[in-house]
Order: sequence, then C-alpha cells, then structure tokens
Amino acid sequence: NAGVMQNPRHLVRRRGQEARLRCSPMKGHSHVYWYRQLPEEGLKFMVYLQKENIIDESGMPKERFSAEFPKEGPSILRIQQVVRGDSAAYFCASSPRGGGNLYEQYFGPGTRLTVT
Amino acid sequence: DAKTTQPNSMESNEEEPVHLPCNHSTISGTDYIHWYRQLPSQGPEYVIHGLTSNVNNRMASLAIAEDRKSSTLILHRATLRDAAVYYCIHMEYGNKLVFGAGTILRVKS
Repeated sequence: NAGVMQNPRHLVRRRGQEARLRCSPMKGHSHVYWYRQLPEEGLKFMVYLQKENIIDESGMPKERFSAEFPKEGPSILRIQQVVRGDSAAYFCASSPRGGGNLYEQYFGPGTRLTVT
Repeated sequence: DAKTTQPNSMESNEEEPVHLPCNHSTISGTDYIHWYRQLPSQGPEYVIHGLTSNVNNRMASLAIAEDRKSSTLILHRATLRDAAVYYCIHMEYGNKLVFGAGTILRVKS
C-alpha cells in the first residue's frame, strides 16, 4: 500500500514565478491536508480539502496561495509570484475520514521549495 | 488553537525506556491526544492517539492521566532510529493538527 506521494521533492523557483506542488493521498483516502514548515520553525496548518471541496483554509495566506483537490488526480498547492519568504518545506497529509478529531493523518515526504 | 506544553529536549540511552511528558491543561472532554514524530529531513509520522484510556500499539504506549490534563508517550526500548522531534497535539474537532515546538529526543548508543 503506497503511502502519500508528493512531487516534486525539491523545487527551485525564481522570484515572481509560479510553484505547483502535487500530492497524491494514500489509496482510499479522500481527505487531504497541507502544512508548511518554514526554516527553523514549526509546522503550520494551511488548508484541509476533500474531493472538490475546501473545508478549512484558515491557515492559507490571503494572497498568492490556492489549493484544489479535483475529482480525479492529485491535490495541488499553487503559489503564484513566489517570494523568498515562501521558501519552506510543504507537507501533504491524508486521512481516511474527516470531520472529527480522532483520525490519524499520514504525511508525505514533503516538497522543499527554494526561491532564489 | 489548543496548546500543549512539552520539554524542549530529552536524552535517552539506547535500549532503555523513554517517557515523554505532555501537559494539555485546557483539554475538553471530546478532544483527542495525538502524538506524531518527525525524523530529520522527513515528514511527520503518526505515532499514537487516545481519548481517555491508555493505548498501546506496535510503536509506543500512551498513558493518559485520569483528569486528562497530561499524558506520557512511552517508547519501551529506544533505538537510534527513534531520535526525532516528538509532538504532542491536543486535537480539537476539525481535523487541524496544531504543532507546537515538540520535544527533541536524543538517543545515545
């Protein structure tokens, strides 16, 4: 049973470019979460999605960031016009069910974004 | 967001048990206690979770105080592979994991 997959593992972008991070949840999981870990800082929740729906985006920056989880295909975290402060590790997690607080989340290996 | 308090770091000898404490004094009756760990340069890894009773799985045990204001993660025999940052999370309803600073566990051979 393959785990959560993220690609690319490493992504380098110049300031002003767009970054697209992809996440394929574990088989049978329809709940996806994105977290960000800035250098020397803790993990911060960004957004929680189910298929075709954003459930909680309270941790998403108001501008330049968007996320989707289409009916078919991986979840995408999109960062437009990247700035140096966006350099971080972005982790995706999935769970089999949601809507509560008792389901564990399974994390991917992360995408390390570097903005030059 | 729910808050937990953990020691900044702990050290253990290989093959010995490790007890990682966590305080969650603001926990409410329906909030679960989750533990995750993060090895260097990896994504977080689920360890264990519980509500009221002590819990055991292949990785660890979770001892929850009777008043639920604190809990202890127990690694029965620490190995070098267990060196990681351990996060205790008091998870409110809504699926959002709120990570604190965690406890850095160092394991000596």
